[in-house]
Amino acid sequence: NAGVTQTPKFRVLKTGQSMTLLCAQDMNHEYMYWYRQDPGMGLRLIHYSVGEGTTAKGEVPDGYNVSRLKKQNFLLGLESAAPSQTSVYFCASSSRQGAYEQYFGPGTRLTVT
Amino acid sequence: GQNIDQPTEMTATEGAIVQINCTYQTSGFNGLFWYQQHAGEAPTFLSYNVLDGLEEKGRFSSFLSRSKGYSYLLLKELQMKDSASYLCAVRGGSNFGNEKLTFGTGTRLTIIP
Repeated sequence: NAGVTQTPKFRVLKTGQSMTLLCAQDMNHEYMYWYRQDPGMGLRLIHYSVGEGTTAKGEVPDGYNVSRLKKQNFLLGLESAAPSQTSVYFCASSSRQGAYEQYFGPGTRLTVT
Repeated sequence: GQNIDQPTEMTATEGAIVQINCTYQTSGFNGLFWYQQHAGEAPTFLSYNVLDGLEEKGRFSSFLSRSKGYSYLLLKELQMKDSASYLCAVRGGSNFGNEKLTFGTGTRLTIIP
């Protein structure tokens, strides 16, 4: 099992450019999440999904969009990147059984200049 | 809302014991998680408490007191590889379902020889 994978691992964007981050999981998990992690701020939830075809806003959703067309994939889009979106982005997934512990991908380090 | 507090940094000696505290104020509670995050890596699940008391897993133990809004992570026989950030996260709240976690900002633990 690969667990949770993310592409790309690194990316540099200019202000105003767009991009999509891809998250894939092979654990058949129902729930998937996108977080950003900034120094001194901890992990903050951007958007999440409780199943294929469903998405919901988290704590810091502005400037981001998501889609979950397939159960195993969760895409995070930045339509017009801003320097404030410079961050490390983590995807996570969890089962809806048991403790609901979340399993994280390796992260994407995004710099917006 | 959710408020989670944990110390920013701690230092401990190899072979010793360290306790990392976490206090929380939430409008609902459905469990508390501890994650370990090495620098530049993804968080990994360590422990889960939903009932009061101590959960032990090898060198790591986690304690919860729901009435006090308090948890701690106890690390015994410290090893150099335990140098990492430790994240406290709470599940549940007035607008939160079982599927979402709120993370504290993390405690950076440094182990010295």
